[in-house]
Amino acid sequence: GQQLNQSPQSMFIQEGEDVSMNCTSSSIFNTWLWYKQDPGEGPVLLIALYKAGELTSNGRLTAQFGITRKDSFLNISASIPSDVGIYFCAGQWGSNQFYFGTGTSLTVIP
Amino acid sequence: DAMVIQNPRYQVTQFGKPVTLSCSQTLNHNVMYWYQQKSSQAPKLLFHYYDKDFNNEADTPDNFQSRRPNTSFCFLDIRSPGLGDAAMYLCATSRGGEDYEQYFGPGTRLTVT
Repeated sequence: GQQLNQSPQSMFIQEGEDVSMNCTSSSIFNTWLWYKQDPGEGPVLLIALYKAGELTSNGRLTAQFGITRKDSFLNISASIPSDVGIYFCAGQWGSNQFYFGTGTSLTVIP
Repeated sequence: DAMVIQNPRYQVTQFGKPVTLSCSQTLNHNVMYWYQQKSSQAPKLLFHYYDKDFNNEADTPDNFQSRRPNTSFCFLDIRSPGLGDAAMYLCATSRGGEDYEQYFGPGTRLTVT
């Protein structure tokens, strides 16, 4: 199946720092989505991207759909302790088919 | 609040004993999905329903089946659970059409003894 490589695998940052993570694939996707998952809970949608080159913000979060349609990045500005969690990218293709990235674990040190 | 609900949150079953996990939604979304997520791994799509149309992922084992009796409810049946089926099972919904924003339930943690 499709494979989405997400990096970095984990990050340890100081509160207030900016964070950047990305997702790459050898395949083209039609839609890119970014989710945050807390332990023992389902993923929560952060940002959805529908067009190549699209740059979208949601509060302190900014994400971009790569122009090749094979990658996407997520930035978090001025991190706070509640940003802790696992961030997943997901690519959509075909008819409602999704592949999730390998995840980035974020730890914010107060 | 409109939401995706999964019951139970924790389910224990015995090796080989059939088990059913439930999902309901109040979002009136057309599409419902089932994902399997093993520890420290990404969610993996098992199958989805678009209205009544069932779409199975090619690598989903035959041991996993699903039913969607109406718009609001969707069930995951595991016919003969093995130890390797222990995982978090996530239900999600989306409106359908060109809207791919998925809304997830809290998941059911399945333990196989």
